[in-house]
Amino acid sequence: DTAVSQTPKYLVTQMGNDKSIKCEQNLGHDTMYWYKQDSKKFLKIMFSYNNKELIINETVPNRFSPKSPDKAHLNLHINSLELGDSAVYFCASSTRQGPTEAFFGQGTRLTVV
Amino acid sequence: DAKTTQPTSMDCAEGRAANLPCNHSTISGNEYVYWYRQIHSQGPQYIIHGLKNNETNEMASLIITEDRKSSTLILPHATLRDTAVYYCIVESGNAGNMLTFGGGTRLMVKP
Repeated sequence: DTAVSQTPKYLVTQMGNDKSIKCEQNLGHDTMYWYKQDSKKFLKIMFSYNNKELIINETVPNRFSPKSPDKAHLNLHINSLELGDSAVYFCASSTRQGPTEAFFGQGTRLTVV
Repeated sequence: DAKTTQPTSMDCAEGRAANLPCNHSTISGNEYVYWYRQIHSQGPQYIIHGLKNNETNEMASLIITEDRKSSTLILPHATLRDTAVYYCIVESGNAGNMLTFGGGTRLMVKP
C-alpha cells in the first residue's frame, strides 16, 4: 500500500487557471506538508499543517492554499496559475512529536503553458 | 537557507563503501542531522538521523564528529540503485519536520 499518494502525477494547464493537487496518507500521521521542487532541483518547504496549526513559508504566494478535509488529506489549491508555478510538487507526512522521518509522495509535475 | 555544505557530486564503485561528507558548523544543541536521498523522478526518501551518537540502520551508518560540526553518511556496499542525490539536513526536532533542503550531493555509483 502506498503510504503517501498524490494525484494527479502529471498536470498540464493554461495560465490563469485554478487547479488542485490531492494528497492522502495512510500512516496515521498528524502533520502533512507540501514541498516545491523547481527546475533547478531545489526542494523548498511550502506549508506544514496539522489540525491545529498551519505554518506557511513566507515566500509562498497567497495564490497557494492548503485545504485539509480531514487528518489524512492535505490538498494544494492554486489560483491564477502562472508560468513560474511550473515545478514538481511533493506532499509529505510525519508525526508532529520529536525528530522523526518524513514520508514523501511521488510528486506531481505541474506544467503551466 | 540550508545550514549544511556538501560536495556537489561524488563517484563510487559498485560494491565499495560510499562516504558522503557534510559540514554543519553552525549546528545548535537541539538540532538533529538528517539524511535523505532522492532517486531520479521519485520523492525524497528518509535514510537516517542522529543527534550526537553514531547511528546505524539497515540502509546506512551516520558518523557525527564529537564537536557535531560535521558528519559522514556511509553506505557500506553501494549498488547501482544507490545512485541518487543525497541531502544532509540540520533541523530541530520540534513541531514537525519542516525540512530545509540544500543542493545535496549527487552520488553516481559506477559498475
